[in-house]
Amino acid sequence: QVQLQESGPGLVKPSETLSLTCTVSGDSIRGYYWSWIRQTPGKGLEWLGRMYGSGYPNYYPSLESRLTISVDTSKNQFYLKLTSVTAADTAIYYCARDHGSGSPFDYWGQGTQVTVSS
Amino acid sequence: EIVLTQSPDFQSVTPKEKISITCRASQYIGSNLHWYQQKPDQSPKVLIKYASQSNSGVPSRFSGSGSGTDFTLTINSLEAEDAATYYCYQSSSLPLTFGGGTKVEI
Repeated sequence: QVQLQESGPGLVKPSETLSLTCTVSGDSIRGYYWSWIRQTPGKGLEWLGRMYGSGYPNYYPSLESRLTISVDTSKNQFYLKLTSVTAADTAIYYCARDHGSGSPFDYWGQGTQVTVSS
Repeated sequence: EIVLTQSPDFQSVTPKEKISITCRASQYIGSNLHWYQQKPDQSPKVLIKYASQSNSGVPSRFSGSGSGTDFTLTINSLEAEDAATYYCYQSSSLPLTFGGGTKVEI
């Protein structure tokens, strides 16, 4: 049974960096695409970016300057780093898996609430 | 960026009713359109993939249709457990995008 689990701080101060980890169990992280998605009441579900194994990441254009997604295949984990956060980055952050080639996300983490506030 | 426009935003229904939710893409996406169901405090779960393929374990009352730019999710004979928000999602091109969601209240 594949499971994804997000972890990281629930509270981040404005202008600081948000760092999240997604730990994958039940399958190898190799051979799949791994995405970060966030959800806010105002903007709904927003795809942030993804990475394939240890390949090149793809980012949502408006976040590209602040976002870094990386993978550690030895730990079966992937990561999100979002710099210079503001209140607009307050959201539930999910990690999710897909198989590429237009496939849907088949596994999601339970989500982690991140609040940006001083 | 491909914009997905869902309608309606909200629908209040009674059990055993049939509803249809539409999703219109701002450009051609073939059949790379998927439907998700999200219940409160849960992550989204895929119901329909590639516009019309039911995901394993999804009740037969859920069906999807369409291709190109216009898609529909139909729920026949609604049950109380179907109260949720439904999202369409396109995987045709980056950035991947979601529709705004349709909240179904029963």
